[in-house]
Amino acid sequence: GNSVTQMEGPVTLSEEAFLTINCTYTATGYPSLFWYVQYPGEGLQLLLKATKADDKGSNKGFEATYRKETTSFHLEKGSVQVSDSAVYFCALSDRGNNDMRFGAGTRLTVKP
Amino acid sequence: SAVISQKPSRDICQRGTSLTIQCQVDSQVTMMFWYRQQPGQSLTLIATANQGSEATYESGFVIDKFPISRPNLTFSTLTVSNMSPEDSSIYLCSVEGGPQGYTEAFFGQGTRLTVV
Repeated sequence: GNSVTQMEGPVTLSEEAFLTINCTYTATGYPSLFWYVQYPGEGLQLLLKATKADDKGSNKGFEATYRKETTSFHLEKGSVQVSDSAVYFCALSDRGNNDMRFGAGTRLTVKP
Repeated sequence: SAVISQKPSRDICQRGTSLTIQCQVDSQVTMMFWYRQQPGQSLTLIATANQGSEATYESGFVIDKFPISRPNLTFSTLTVSNMSPEDSSIYLCSVEGGPQGYTEAFFGQGTRLTVV
């Protein structure tokens, strides 16, 4: 079945550091890929998405590229801020099966 | 996009009691999903709720413990029955798809449940 493997945390960075959170997936079809963010005490919010190979999703300085050859969707940001502290979830959605899978989540803490 | 209102946002309940969580969407959607997020964990799908039919439960979840209602295309409830401390989690309502052809999942803010 479909699955998502996400880099384990927690991750602690200093402000303005470069961020990478790795995500790889296994899917039988052609899924859409997502990054969701969960701020403390809140539900999940969509951060970015990519619906086909080589698509790049971007939002709020975060980027991720759908790499079919490596089955990856790594999240990157060039300069993190304290306000980026949250839990980040990689997810895939197989539209044909209405099957959405989430990674384990990576907790990011950014220190001033 | 879809705006989802979920309530209560949090509750502390006695073991053996039941809690009903409500989820209201601002537009009509075909499928609604209920997830559980245990402390420090990822999301686990409990069930999928379609309007006009019984919910479909994932392995490990049963209707007697987590009865779901879906009376119309904008509303659903999840009840956590006969609660024990192991039920302490965040419960999340989510929607995908619908007449507008959503291609992503939208979530309510979650219900943080503590069972004592």
